[in-house]
Parts: sequence; structure tokens; C-alpha cells
Amino acid sequence: GAGVSQSPSNKVTEKGKDVELRCDPISGHTALYWYRQRLGQGLEFLIYFQGNSAPDKSGLPSDRFSAERTGESVSTLTIQRTQQEDSAVYLCASSYQHEQFFGPGTRLTVL
Amino acid sequence: AQSVTQLGSHVSVSEGALVLLRCNYSSSVPPYLFWYVQYPNQGLQLLLKYTSAATLVKGINGFEAEFKKSETSFHLTKPSAHMSDAAEYFCAVSDRRSGGSNYKLTFGKGTLLTVNP
Repeated sequence: GAGVSQSPSNKVTEKGKDVELRCDPISGHTALYWYRQRLGQGLEFLIYFQGNSAPDKSGLPSDRFSAERTGESVSTLTIQRTQQEDSAVYLCASSYQHEQFFGPGTRLTVL
Repeated sequence: AQSVTQLGSHVSVSEGALVLLRCNYSSSVPPYLFWYVQYPNQGLQLLLKYTSAATLVKGINGFEAEFKKSETSFHLTKPSAHMSDAAEYFCAVSDRRSGGSNYKLTFGKGTLLTVNP
């Protein structure tokens, strides 16, 4: 079946602009995670959604970052007033029980 | 808090040689442990996972890993490297709290495996 998809695959933006990244999870997966992978680093947890429960936002690095998910469907990660340090690959994963399935990521470059 | 240490950011082996990628973790509760592989410009693919069953875990592509609680280690091995194994490998730990459903992963910084002909 279809895996996790993310769009766009690449995004180049200017410092100070807002960007929106999209994640389409695997159908039926109730949990969804966002991670950030900066160059030469492992992945950093950003946010977790589980059904209609309150999300775990403990990994969001600043109030410029926000994310939404309605039910068990698509999620969007929004970064406002982008900064150069936001340049990274943003990965989404959907999960069944304890196993996470990752999308291909969105490579964000902030000039 | 959990953490993962991968010793060696870059490992180079010859084709046919043993692959050993090291991972040590710290966790205040019994963990789930994972190895993921990432090929260039792709997402992460699960190689194998430890979830408290057998301590020797076999995964895809001939990889295996052994959970050693006394050493807090979960090293990844493959008896004979293939050119197609060249990729970046990430070890990760998640919190196995009973009753919870948030299995957010804490990752190591990754090990880039190069396979020489």
C-alpha cells in the first residue's frame, strides 16, 4: 500500500517568509510524528499527534513553529518568519503501535 | 532523559568484510531500540527493532543486532558487507512507558557506512 508522503520535496525560501510543509500519513495510522534533521545530525523530535488527543509539542524549538492535524488525516507543519538555522530536512512519520514509518522528507533551505 | 551514542561517524569496510556499527543508549526505563537506514535523498527505513522479546534481533538485508542490558548496547552487525549496504545508519531509542502511546524516538547522530570494492 501507499507509504507516508510529504510535500513539497524541496522548498527554498527567503529569510523572514512563512512556509508550510505537508504530511500524508498511512491510512489507519493513528499516531503521527514530525522530526527535524539538520546537516550532520540525527533526527530531533518536534511534535506528536495521537488521534484527537492534545499533541505533545515538547520538541518545537520556538513559537515560530506550529503544527496541526485533524483527526487521523493530513498534518501540516508551519514555520513562521523563517531563519537560516531552520534549514534542515523535515521528516514525518506515521505509526502503528510502536513502529514508525517515515516519509521521504521535505528539504527546507532558508536563504 | 534518553540518549543514544553512536561511536564512529564514519565506518569504512571492504566488500565481504564484517560490518559492526556501535550504539550505546541510556534510558531510565526499559527501552525499545531501533536501527534505521537512510539512503541518499530518501527517508528512513526500519532495519530491525528490539521490543523485549529475544535479545538477538534479526532484520532485513542480513543485519542483526544484540541487546545487551549490562553494557547498555545495541550494536548492529552484518557478516559480509555488500556494496548496496553503503548508507547512513541511525540507532534510536523510545520510551516504553506502560499505558502510554507516545513512542517518540531519540536518535543517535548516525554512522555513514562506506563499502569499498
